[in-house]
Amino acid sequence: SYELTQTPSVSVSPGQTASITCSGDKLGDGYVCWYQQKPGQSPVLVIYQDNKRPSGIPERFSGSNSGNTATLTISGTQAMDEADYYCQAWDSSTVVFGGGTKLTVL
Amino acid sequence: EVRLLEFGGGLVQSGGSLRLSCAASGFTFSNYAMSWVRQAPGKGLEWVSSISGSGTSTYYADSVKGRFTISRDSSKNTLYLQMNSLRAADTAVYHCAKGDYGGYVFDSWGQGTLVTVSS
Repeated sequence: SYELTQTPSVSVSPGQTASITCSGDKLGDGYVCWYQQKPGQSPVLVIYQDNKRPSGIPERFSGSNSGNTATLTISGTQAMDEADYYCQAWDSSTVVFGGGTKLTVL
Repeated sequence: EVRLLEFGGGLVQSGGSLRLSCAASGFTFSNYAMSWVRQAPGKGLEWVSSISGSGTSTYYADSVKGRFTISRDSSKNTLYLQMNSLRAADTAVYHCAKGDYGGYVFDSWGQGTLVTVSS
């Protein structure tokens, strides 16, 4: 079965750029989306189709996807961005999530 | 405004059954694929099942295939998940999610309903 791998945790200082990666075999051949989940809340879509932002998502969130790696980039990270982030793709009508990355802003 | 509200979670014994419902509003329900995604306590997201807007196509994760059935009633704007032969490993918060951009991008989520399977 298809697997997506994420680094379990990433730390970033306020105002700096955070990069969260997601790897999978030939991931760049399809689309990737990203979700943000804060404690006790439901996930929120922050990036879809590799690099598109839904309405209401700040411009500091961006994405890319090429080869075997997709990256979520948060520029000028704010304290409110501290959360778990999950990448997601789909293959043969099967949806796959990455294991999640806990972003700590300190 | 899209709203998704799940019902039906609770405590059930191993081997038992439960039916979850998700009441949808704020969009044309029959135009969108819908899915169930679960999250075990302290764990990550796991896709469970999806159904097309028309209801004619259904998809399941291997972990639930043959035990769970997804369905929808467009006259009631409601999504369902019938869960049979439940196991302790099925313990999780179950979210329903609206699909867009091809159906597999979950642009709206419900708050979830907790299913606890006791062994």
